[in-house]
Amino acid sequence: DIVLTQSPDSLAVSLGEGATINCKSSQSVLDRSNNKNSLAWYQQKPGQPPKLLIHWASTRESGVPDRFSGSGSGTDFTLTISSLQAEDVAVYYCQQYYKTPPHTFGQGTKLEIK
Amino acid sequence: QVQLVQSGAEVKKPGASVKVSCKTSGYTFSEYAIHWVRQAPGQRLEWMGWINPVSGDTRYSQQFQGTVTITRDTSTTTGFMELTSLTSEDTAVYYCARDKWGTGWFDSWGQGTLVTVSS
Repeated sequence: DIVLTQSPDSLAVSLGEGATINCKSSQSVLDRSNNKNSLAWYQQKPGQPPKLLIHWASTRESGVPDRFSGSGSGTDFTLTISSLQAEDVAVYYCQQYYKTPPHTFGQGTKLEIK
Repeated sequence: QVQLVQSGAEVKKPGASVKVSCKTSGYTFSEYAIHWVRQAPGQRLEWMGWINPVSGDTRYSQQFQGTVTITRDTSTTTGFMELTSLTSEDTAVYYCARDKWGTGWFDSWGQGTLVTVSS
């Protein structure tokens, strides 16, 4: 199974500042058939299901604010929030869909306001 | 609008079984696989399995092979997840989620069903 490891486990950022969350895969998730990375990012707020933010590592879902961006390739990926808003407080997960089953998730990164 | 509405919370004793439903609406049922994902307290999201809503074919995570059964009812566009031989380690929130064929990411989720296993 592909193992995803996120860093850090938690971080605190001031409102208006940027936040960076990393996701490292135990093997490449680059799909050479379309040259896209099979990685998604989700946001989960307390008491809610996860919400899809990004797929193909950098394609933002419709309606997701453009302060959220994804980057990376192969085994190393990053979710960046350019200017933290209060509503961004949540746990963020990466997920791979390159080699399934199983679909696997990172352990999550808890983002708080400093 | 797209909705996946799950059945309510359950409390079960060790050794019992639980069946959670996921009623879908607002989209063409046959165009999306239904997956089940669980989240134990303080743990990461854990994929359990999925079902092809057209054929009924299923695939399960090796971890849950033999204890989970995923089914669907096309007449009511509802998915089901049954977990047997429950232990305290099965205490978790269980989510259904959909993914369009060939994509692999989950673009809509149910609200979650808390299953508590306690003697």
